[in-house]
Amino acid sequence: DAGVTQSPTHLIKTRGQHVTLRCSPISGHKSVSWYQQVLGQGPQFIFQYYEKEERGRGNFPDRFSARQFPNYSSELNVNALLLGDSALYLCASSSARANVLTFGAGSRLTVL
Amino acid sequence: KNEVEQSPQNLTAQEGEFITINCSYSVGISALHWLQQHPGGGIVSLFMLSSGKKKHGRLIATINIQEKHSSLHITASHPRDSAVYICAVRSAGNQFYFGTGTSLTVIP
Repeated sequence: DAGVTQSPTHLIKTRGQHVTLRCSPISGHKSVSWYQQVLGQGPQFIFQYYEKEERGRGNFPDRFSARQFPNYSSELNVNALLLGDSALYLCASSSARANVLTFGAGSRLTVL
Repeated sequence: KNEVEQSPQNLTAQEGEFITINCSYSVGISALHWLQQHPGGGIVSLFMLSSGKKKHGRLIATINIQEKHSSLHITASHPRDSAVYICAVRSAGNQFYFGTGTSLTVIP
């Protein structure tokens, strides 16, 4: 069984552009959460989705949005990119009881 | 002030030493996770705790809900344990808060 898969693995954008990051959870996991990890820091929680509904939101501006699809995969969208959005974006999936968080390898975004 | 505080930030140990990493949190939680992050970004979940103590191999995790504190212990440390260890809590409101991590280096 494949783990959590994220795409793309690396991407470079310029300021003002938008980006869409994708995440496929482990089969059977209905919860997906997104995190931003800036170099040298711990992950920061962005969103959690369960059964296609937003269940949690971190302290991020409205430029950040996400959605979850009927197959439980998820997209994270960031509009009007800033230099400070450069980071590793991690996706994790979990079962309903969140007994285990399983992380993907991340999408590394560089904003120039 | 961060909702989750870890100590120490950096830790260097000799192979075979007993290691303790501490985590304190300030929010009400439904669960606490200990994670291990290797260079390059890969994160592995080690434990999920809501009470008491769990053991997996040489790793032991404990949590004291009243004191809002958790510890991760590594017995007989080995160079392959070198990684960043992160404490994360899931709040009652379904938000996740992460500590900044403890960077562990085990020297042969």
